[in-house]
Amino acid sequence: DIQMTQSPSSLSASVGDRVTITCRASQGISNYLAWYQQKPGKVPKLLIYAASTLQSGVPSRFSGSGSGTDFTLTISSLQPEDVATYYCQSRGFTFGPGTKVDIK
Amino acid sequence: EVQLLESGGGLVQPGGSLRLSCAASGFTFSSYAMSWVRQAPGKGLEWVSAISGSGGSTYYADSVKGRFTISRDNSKNTLYLQMNSLRAEDTAVYYCARAFYYGSGKDAFDIWGQGTMVTVSS
Repeated sequence: DIQMTQSPSSLSASVGDRVTITCRASQGISNYLAWYQQKPGKVPKLLIYAASTLQSGVPSRFSGSGSGTDFTLTISSLQPEDVATYYCQSRGFTFGPGTKVDIK
Repeated sequence: EVQLLESGGGLVQPGGSLRLSCAASGFTFSSYAMSWVRQAPGKGLEWVSAISGSGGSTYYADSVKGRFTISRDNSKNTLYLQMNSLRAEDTAVYYCARAFYYGSGKDAFDIWGQGTMVTVSS
């Protein structure tokens, strides 16, 4: 089974900062990687699939990159509404443990 | 509007059973594989089970295999999760989610229900 890890587990950044979250797979998964955003008390929302394709309606400040085993989710300019936990997900429906993003 | 609406959650004793339902609307239900994903209080997302669009193929996480059964009624646009032999560690919000295929064997969950809470406690 594929294992997904994420780093950091949490971060605090200022509004306008560039934020990067890393997801690593235990084996190569090509571009089979999705990112989800879950705001406090809300339902998860698909942000990115195929490692770098933005889901319709997602702000362009979000971007994804990577292939194989190492992937990143970048928020180019952090906004207050981006406070959430972010999860990666890949083959076998495996989710990463999540990265909690707060405003400093 | 594309929508998923779960129901059937509640409080159940250890060893008990519960059946969750997920009513779909706004899309051709039978064309999509569906999954159940759960989230224990304060914890991350855990995939539970999946079913193909026809219902002919089903998949389970090791943690629920042999205890949970996923099914669907495409004539009623409804997904089900029969949960037996429930344990305290099954306590979670249960979401149904639509699978969106973006490549050969590659999928993601593009539509989620609002979730239904299952509490297993004596």
